[in-house]
Amino acid sequence: ETGVTQSPTHLIKTRGQQVTLRCSSQSGHNTVSWYQQALGQGPQFIFQYYREEENGRGNFPPRFSGLQFPNYSSELNVNALELDDSALYLCASSPDRTDTQYFGPGTRLTVL
Amino acid sequence: DQQVKQNSPSLSVQEGRISILNCDYTNSMFDYFLWYKKYPAEGPTFLISISSIKDKNEDGRFTVFLNKSAKHLSLHIVPSQPGDSAVYFCAASANGVSGGGADGLTFGKGTHLIIQP
Repeated sequence: ETGVTQSPTHLIKTRGQQVTLRCSSQSGHNTVSWYQQALGQGPQFIFQYYREEENGRGNFPPRFSGLQFPNYSSELNVNALELDDSALYLCASSPDRTDTQYFGPGTRLTVL
Repeated sequence: DQQVKQNSPSLSVQEGRISILNCDYTNSMFDYFLWYKKYPAEGPTFLISISSIKDKNEDGRFTVFLNKSAKHLSLHIVPSQPGDSAVYFCAASANGVSGGGADGLTFGKGTHLIIQP
């Protein structure tokens, strides 16, 4: 059984650019959550997608947006990148909205 | 304002001894708690959880204790093994479910556990 995968592993962008991060959920999982982990901090909830609809959102501005596809894979899009967006972005999938989340290895984003 | 606090950034324990990792929370609405373990270059791995209706949950070498009146939980690892060296995150949910639901999980900053041979 394949776990949660994320691409790319690392990414370098400049301020003002846009970025798309991708996540493939674990087989049988219909829910994907995204988290941002800044250096020295714990993961912070960005939003959750359940069956292709946004199910909940943390305290992040609208320039953070997402999508979930019919196969339950997901994208995180960040527009107008700022230096503070530099972080590890973690995707987690779960069998349903209320179930335990299983994390991917993350995408390390550096904004210069 | 941090709602989940792990006040020890690091902890060093001898192999074979007990490791005790602590976590405090401030939000009274939290009713489900989880511990995740993270190795470098990997995502967090679910370890053990506890509902607020319990005060103890055990899984092999890992036991989590919850003291609701003190808003405190702890993870005990007995005996500690070299493979336990990792960063441990405490996480909380306000929806009574392990997945956090629409509010997601709220994490602490983590404690780096180092097991000395």
